[in-house]
Amino acid sequence: AQSVTQLDSQVPVFEEAPVELRCNYSSSVSVYLFWYVQYPNQGLQLLLKYLSGSTLVKGINGFEAEFNKSQTSFHLRKPSVHISDTAEYFCAVSGNTGFQKLVFGTGTRLLVSP
Amino acid sequence: GAGVSQSPSNKVTEKGKDVELRCDPISGHTALYWYRQSLGQGLEFLIYFQGNSAPDKSGLPSDRFSAERTGGSVSTLTIQRTQQEDSAVYLCASSPSGGSGANVLTFGAGSRLTVL
Repeated sequence: AQSVTQLDSQVPVFEEAPVELRCNYSSSVSVYLFWYVQYPNQGLQLLLKYLSGSTLVKGINGFEAEFNKSQTSFHLRKPSVHISDTAEYFCAVSGNTGFQKLVFGTGTRLLVSP
Repeated sequence: GAGVSQSPSNKVTEKGKDVELRCDPISGHTALYWYRQSLGQGLEFLIYFQGNSAPDKSGLPSDRFSAERTGGSVSTLTIQRTQQEDSAVYLCASSPSGGSGANVLTFGAGSRLTVL
């Protein structure tokens, strides 16, 4: 079974500052990793994913994440945030063999202020 | 369809009543998930259907919750004898089979359930 830990429930940051949202996972097998974003009053949408290959993954809206197998982490970063990045961010993990359910973390609310 | 469709979008019910929530996944997607999103609780996995395999019901919180998927397409989540703690947004998602698309979920807008 897999699990995900997002230690920060809320991250306040000023506009144009860099941000890192932390995600650690636990799994006994190799994994796929994902970040989903939920903007206020909207549904969840995929931000980026790691399936295999390069450990640095680039997503939409200038976000990127790095898969670190030794640290079992998949932290999300953006060098300069905008007000419009204010949203809830969810890290998720699944095993990468067959069809395995996707397990989500509890989410991190990113609050960008001017 | 173009996306995952859920109905109703909002449901207010009285404690003790039964409710049914419907999900119509993207055509051709073989995997279908139900999650529950409560305030401050993140996304709680409820149940997972994959093709003709037996569903993974390990996330259903009690025997008041059940779900079925007819003909490998539309799914209905039923909550019997609703309690106030069942109030949440119920999210449905689907994903395609095989290839790099495996496990990339497309979510519906959700059904917001309020139990009075």
